[in-house]
Amino acid sequence: EADIYQTPRYLVIGTGKKITLECSQTMGHDKMYWYQQDPGMELHLIHYSYGVNSTEKGDLSSESTVSRIRTEHFPLTLESARPSHTSQYLCASSEYKLGLAGGLKYNEQFFGPGTRLTVL
Amino acid sequence: GENVEQHPSTLSVQEGDSAVIKCTYSDSASNYFPWYKQELGKRPQLIIDIRSNVGEKKDQRIAVTLNKTAKHFSLHITETQPEDSAVYFCAAMSEDFGNEKLTFGTGTRLTIIP
Repeated sequence: EADIYQTPRYLVIGTGKKITLECSQTMGHDKMYWYQQDPGMELHLIHYSYGVNSTEKGDLSSESTVSRIRTEHFPLTLESARPSHTSQYLCASSEYKLGLAGGLKYNEQFFGPGTRLTVL
Repeated sequence: GENVEQHPSTLSVQEGDSAVIKCTYSDSASNYFPWYKQELGKRPQLIIDIRSNVGEKKDQRIAVTLNKTAKHFSLHITETQPEDSAVYFCAAMSEDFGNEKLTFGTGTRLTIIP
């Protein structure tokens, strides 16, 4: 079944450690996104990608980095985790499709289940 | 860039009553407006969306209205049920090619009182 997968789902780690949050999608989408969200609170876009070898910074400044070497894979890396990085990280994907009347239509943005990160 | 404001931040309604959540946007180029529902501990999921070529869209108990002139759009939930309790996010973007990201509102926590 087409979906977005994130691993790990929960991570507790000490300050200074390097971590990589994995995101994979089997939707065949070009666009992928990373959001940071405290539970039930505002969604902050931290990174996005138009496609392979494309990465852009989002609206919220983040010390994390991303890469997009394969269409289906969009990992997020923190070189040195700090307590201020404690949050939930949501991965998402989408694409444009040709509309019935012509022109491009933005398709639904699907979210992954999230990774809840705690940095001690 | 786009700025989306959402009100109220919290909303409690009696089961069976209606709930209305309002959003305003700043960029007149925005033409796609989705609404997402996020239940406790779950991922956000699209519940309805509207494009600027229509003023209203309905799906069973959920409807969205759009006023392009005033740059605001609203989510209406009728005959509310306990399973409607969740956080709701509005969003806006321009579908012009090259604009690849949604701008989300700050969310509304809706509680349905049995």
